[in-house]
Amino acid sequence: KAGVTQTPRYLIKTRGQQVTLSCSPISGHRSVSWYQQTPGQGLQFLFEYFSETQRNKGNFPGRFSGRQFSNSRSEMNVSTLELGDSALYLCASSLLGGEEGYTFGSGTRLTVV
Amino acid sequence: QKEVEQNSGPLSVPEGAIASLNCTYSDRGSQSFFWYRQYSGKSPELIMSIYSNGDKEDGRFTAQLNKASQYVSLLIRDSQPSDSATYLCAVTGSGGYNKLIFGAGTRLAVHP
Repeated sequence: KAGVTQTPRYLIKTRGQQVTLSCSPISGHRSVSWYQQTPGQGLQFLFEYFSETQRNKGNFPGRFSGRQFSNSRSEMNVSTLELGDSALYLCASSLLGGEEGYTFGSGTRLTVV
Repeated sequence: QKEVEQNSGPLSVPEGAIASLNCTYSDRGSQSFFWYRQYSGKSPELIMSIYSNGDKEDGRFTAQLNKASQYVSLLIRDSQPSDSATYLCAVTGSGGYNKLIFGAGTRLAVHP
C-alpha cells in the first residue's frame, strides 16, 4: 500500500515568487492536513481538508492557501515568498478524519533565497 | 504557556534501559494523544495513540495518559540505539480531531 506522496522533495525559490506543493494521500484517506516544520517553531498546523472542504486552519497569513480535489489529492500554495517561509512542509492523511492519527509524507523542503 | 510542552533533552539512556518521555498539555478538552518518532532528516512516524486514562502497551512501548493532570508519557523498554530519535507528543485540541498540536519534541539518545 503506497504511503503519502509529496512532490517535489526539494525546491529552491526566490523571494517574491510563489510555489505550489502537491500531496497524494494514502488510497482511501479523505482527510489531508498540511504542516510546516522549522527548527525554531517546530511542527505547526497549516490547514486540513476533508472531501474538498477546508475544515480547519492554523494561524498563518493569507499567503498560505490550499485546496483538495475530488480524488483527495491536495495542493498548497504560498504566494509572495519570504525568507522565513523556508521550511519542511509536511502533508499527512487520515482515514477517519484524524481520530486514529495522521500518517505523514516525506515532506517538501522549501528554501527561499 | 505553550499548548504542548516537552523537555527538549537530550535524554541519554544506556542500551537496554527504560526511556521515559513526558508531555503536558494545556487544553482540558483534548481528546486524542499521539506519540510520533522522527529520525533526523525524516518525517514523523506514528508509534502510539491513546485516548483514555491509563496505560496502553504495544511491544516495547507503553503510553500513559492522565487527563486530570493533563499529562501523557511514553515509556520505551529495552531501549536500543535504533530508538535514538526525536519523540514528538501531539494532541488534538477541543476544536476537533483534525488539528494536531505538537510539542517541540524530546531528543532521545541511546548509547551502547
